[in-house]
Amino acid sequence: GQNIDQPTEMTATEGAIVQINCTYQTSGFNGLFWYQQHAGEAPTFLSYNVLDGLEEKGRFSSFLSRSKGYSYLLLKELQMKDSASYLCAFSNMDSSYKLIFGSGTRLLVRP
Amino acid sequence: GAVVSQHPSWVICKSGTSVKIECRSLDFQATTMFWYRQFPKQSLMLMATSNEGSKATYEQGVEKDKFLINHASLTLSTLTVTSAHPEDSSFYICSATTLGSRRLKYNEQFFGPGTRLTVL
Repeated sequence: GQNIDQPTEMTATEGAIVQINCTYQTSGFNGLFWYQQHAGEAPTFLSYNVLDGLEEKGRFSSFLSRSKGYSYLLLKELQMKDSASYLCAFSNMDSSYKLIFGSGTRLLVRP
Repeated sequence: GAVVSQHPSWVICKSGTSVKIECRSLDFQATTMFWYRQFPKQSLMLMATSNEGSKATYEQGVEKDKFLINHASLTLSTLTVTSAHPEDSSFYICSATTLGSRRLKYNEQFFGPGTRLTVL
């Protein structure tokens, strides 16, 4: 079967670091995506991992362990504008590369 | 990045009417488009996968006769919600990609801005 899981909500302080975890299970794995979504808007692409390890892009980093079915998104130097939902999704090459999304993690950044 | 548009951005209709939502890839040819539905405070649920020139593949539990999808060209896909009812009120989002494209990395999906449907 296929499933993907991430925490529902997280709270962090402006300027701090926060890690959002995601676990998944699937066959035909073709990569793990992270998207940011502000309320009422479409998701915007943050990162993609298909090999094990850490990918760094500015304040955001994403990590993948394929053997553990585990990924995390690391946000550094948090800003108020980072308050949003963060969606992890895996791509499945057995199914037209469609994305299966987690439930999303709502991150609230407080002053 | 590639640009995907949706029209309309919001629509309010009476129960029993049909609503058509357009999804366009503006600067690339999309062999595949995906339609998602998102209820408040929930994640995106894939409704169907649409390939240009062929019938859409619907996810389990999605009524193909209620949600009609047409992908007649490489830049346009439409979703028609037939005989809409209040429970169909949701945020509908499309995404587009071109499998195997050198320009689009990772078979990345580009999302449209979404269409908010309210059925009275």
